[in-house]
Amino acid sequence: GAGVSQSPSNKVTEKGKDVELRCDPISGHTALYWYRQSLGQGLEFLIYFQGNSAPDKSGLPSDRFSAERTGGSVSTLTIQRTQQEDSAVYLCASSLVGNSGNTIYFGEGSWLTVV
Amino acid sequence: DQQVKQNSPSLSVQEGRISILNCDYTNSMFDYFLWYKKYPAEGPTFLISISSIKDKNEDGRFTVFLNKSAKHLSLHIVPSQPGDSAVYFCAAGPSFGNEKLTFGTGTRLTIIP
Repeated sequence: GAGVSQSPSNKVTEKGKDVELRCDPISGHTALYWYRQSLGQGLEFLIYFQGNSAPDKSGLPSDRFSAERTGGSVSTLTIQRTQQEDSAVYLCASSLVGNSGNTIYFGEGSWLTVV
Repeated sequence: DQQVKQNSPSLSVQEGRISILNCDYTNSMFDYFLWYKKYPAEGPTFLISISSIKDKNEDGRFTVFLNKSAKHLSLHIVPSQPGDSAVYFCAAGPSFGNEKLTFGTGTRLTIIP
């Protein structure tokens, strides 16, 4: 596709349930990121994948959060045993790493509401 | 610890006038700075960037100024247009080509026709 694609666009889930959020990056982009934005907060870095390197997971807020990237393309962010404070918009982004620049292209986000 | 700060959550500017959005940072390792624009229900889109070797970068109506000694940058939009109404995020990274960016909380800009 032309841009970063995320699904679902909206998700309402009950507290304690697991959710999976999917990201399909721009074709050819080797770097993939997950950010989230909670109400009234800035964009919070969660995790970063670059090629075959070990992902940078330093932003994951707890061990209930995990992410994987299969085949260097599609990524799934999984939140286990969701809590109300997990409610946020989860933004995926991708970029082409290299001297051409580090412009990050964002998807439209997955809006998660935990009730 | 908010390393990138946008102290004005909102700003209203008359159409045609200059909009100035400010951003402060605390991490002296930051070397590359970007502005992103976000419309409701859309992801942020890249607007303009500047590296620490410059103090100004201009792209059409948008100019970013960097004051490294003050750890401050600003985005100027002139003349402001109604389509500029959006949330603007300041972001910083340790170096050009390093994509792990730290974002501010955003400033909602409203252009008044």
